[in-house]
Amino acid sequence: EVQLLQSEGGLVQPGGSLRLSCATSGFTFSTHHMNWVRQAPGGGLEWVAAISSSGEGTYYAKSVRGRFTISRDNSENTMYLHMNSLGAEDTAVYYCVKEVIGEQKFDYWGQGTLVTVSS
Amino acid sequence: DIQMTQSPSSLSASIGDRVTITCRASQSFGNYLNWYQQKPGKAPKLLIYLASTLQSGVPSRFIGSGFGTEFTLTISSLQPEDSATYYCQQSYTTPFIFGPGTKVEIK
Repeated sequence: EVQLLQSEGGLVQPGGSLRLSCATSGFTFSTHHMNWVRQAPGGGLEWVAAISSSGEGTYYAKSVRGRFTISRDNSENTMYLHMNSLGAEDTAVYYCVKEVIGEQKFDYWGQGTLVTVSS
Repeated sequence: DIQMTQSPSSLSASIGDRVTITCRASQSFGNYLNWYQQKPGKAPKLLIYLASTLQSGVPSRFIGSGFGTEFTLTISSLQPEDSATYYCQQSYTTPFIFGPGTKVEIK
């Protein structure tokens, strides 16, 4: 059974930092691209970042480029999102998502982690 | 970036109705289009990928079609459990933009 287990989020002050993690099981992690998608309260889905299966390729939404870093540890089957210079606009539920190359589909989603940026 | 729009933004229909949601893209990208269903407080669920391929385990009343810049998701016979918000997403190139969503309610 595929599982994507995300770390706890929390309350962060504006300008602060936070690292999210996504521990996976039930599939060959090292052969899949992975993504982060977020959803602001009451809002729609926003793709945030992607990382290739090897970790060599990383891609970001303009809204987070230069502030967020996506990474992965294939030996631990875990993906990360390092978030810096957080602002109120980053308040959202963050989802880690497994991608299927070729079919280009996001087939499994984590449970979501709420990140609240507020003083 | 490819921009995505959806129409309508919301709809209300009766059990058994045929419901159609349209997704349009600002530029053509073949069939790299996914549809997701999201219920309140839950993660999105993949329904359709590559515009018309039904994800395993998804009921056959969900039908996807389209190519290029215009796509549709049809629910052939609306069921109570279909009350949700539906999103399209282009998966052709990053950024993998989602449509703004269509909220489907049951009358």
